[in-house]
Amino acid sequence: QKEVEQNSGPLSVPEGAIASLNCTYSDRGSQSFFWYRQYSGKSPELIMSIYSNGDKEDGRFTAQLNKASQYVSLLIRDSQPSDSATYLCAVNRPSNTGKLIFGQGTTLQVKP
Amino acid sequence: DVKVTQSSRYLVKRTGEKVFLECVQDMDHENMFWYRQDPGLGLRLIYFSYDVKMKEKGDIPEGYSVSREKKERFSLILESASTNQTSMYLCASRKDRGYGYTFGSGTRLTVV
Repeated sequence: QKEVEQNSGPLSVPEGAIASLNCTYSDRGSQSFFWYRQYSGKSPELIMSIYSNGDKEDGRFTAQLNKASQYVSLLIRDSQPSDSATYLCAVNRPSNTGKLIFGQGTTLQVKP
Repeated sequence: DVKVTQSSRYLVKRTGEKVFLECVQDMDHENMFWYRQDPGLGLRLIYFSYDVKMKEKGDIPEGYSVSREKKERFSLILESASTNQTSMYLCASRKDRGYGYTFGSGTRLTVV
């Protein structure tokens, strides 16, 4: 089992719809969770971080965390073609180093 | 905003050459990381550093070394470049455990 799992996609949604991206992780001790957006040929950009159960909203983005189910998700409301990118989920490894473990990423396509 | 600067955006080197990839961050971050990213393989950690003159191997350190003589600079060295080291190399830094990483813009290295 991979430490951080994401569906590779592509996930295709029409413009204006809600895009839902999901991520599961294996280590129950993980405390920090992050979502990165990566455009083709560019480096990953941190867009959301979440540390406690529940929802965290930032503009059109909402991160959701459920530690009991070991599940973190990212919702993008009113999706725009400019949201088309690969979204990487990252989870800290609960060790003295606290390194982030990255999922393989989900490719999102928002169609006009 | 934290800035992580990688010295070259594109680099072409010959097999057997010694290659230096430089990374500088300007926000006094403690932790720095080197990744490579290849299609289908995701982000793979090469080396990381939690303090000046400190380094630890990541998941794929073979063929690489690093240097961190000053807090703001973390260099990746390919001792003898090979074609299988053709990749996108990403440097990242973070303030401390529990924080997300900030990535540089990446260096696309081609070894011919």
